[in-house]
Amino acid sequence: SYVLTQPPSVSVAPGKTARITCGGNNIGSKSVHWYQQKPGQAPVLVIYYDSDRPSGIPERFSGSNSGNTATLTISRVEAGDEADYYCQVWDSSSDHHWVFGGGTKLTVL
Amino acid sequence: QVQLQESGPGLVKPSGTLSLTCAVSGGSISSSNWWSWIRQPPGKGLEWIGEIYHSGSTNYNPSLKSRVTISVDKSKNQFSLKLSSVTAADTAVYYCARVMGNIAAAVGWFDPWGQGTLVTVSS
Repeated sequence: SYVLTQPPSVSVAPGKTARITCGGNNIGSKSVHWYQQKPGQAPVLVIYYDSDRPSGIPERFSGSNSGNTATLTISRVEAGDEADYYCQVWDSSSDHHWVFGGGTKLTVL
Repeated sequence: QVQLQESGPGLVKPSGTLSLTCAVSGGSISSSNWWSWIRQPPGKGLEWIGEIYHSGSTNYNPSLKSRVTISVDKSKNQFSLKLSSVTAADTAVYYCARVMGNIAAAVGWFDPWGQGTLVTVSS
């Protein structure tokens, strides 16, 4: 099955830029979606179709996808951005299977 | 605006069957969307369980397929999950979510999600 690899943690100072990666074999050929999950809450979609933002998601959130790595970029990081972030794709190598990355804990210093 | 709400027992005995329902409000379950179940063990990541279309068509995670049944009740605008032969490893927060995108083109994402319900497997 298809494996998505995320770093367990990323730390960034307020006002700086955070980049969270999602690695996968030729992931650039897939559409990648990203979720933010704060403690005790359900995940919330922040990026879909690699780089589109749902309504209500700040422009500070952006995404890119090429080669073997997709990246979620959060500009001008705020304390409220501290959360777990998950990437997700369709696993075309198996029988209709949605796959999530292991998640990345974003810590705002 | 579509909202989803999970409900069901919070405690299930080992070897028993976990049963949950997801009520859909603000929209019709008969819309052109699939509807999914996803779970998250305490302190761990997300795992897709399966999905259903209002026609009754289903898809399941191969790793859970032998134990999972997802059904739909269009009259009540809800869908349900049954997971049999549960063990402590099935202890998790269970979420329901709407699948958006174009499944025929192998592109889809989950939005919105229900608030989730914790199910503990213990005697």
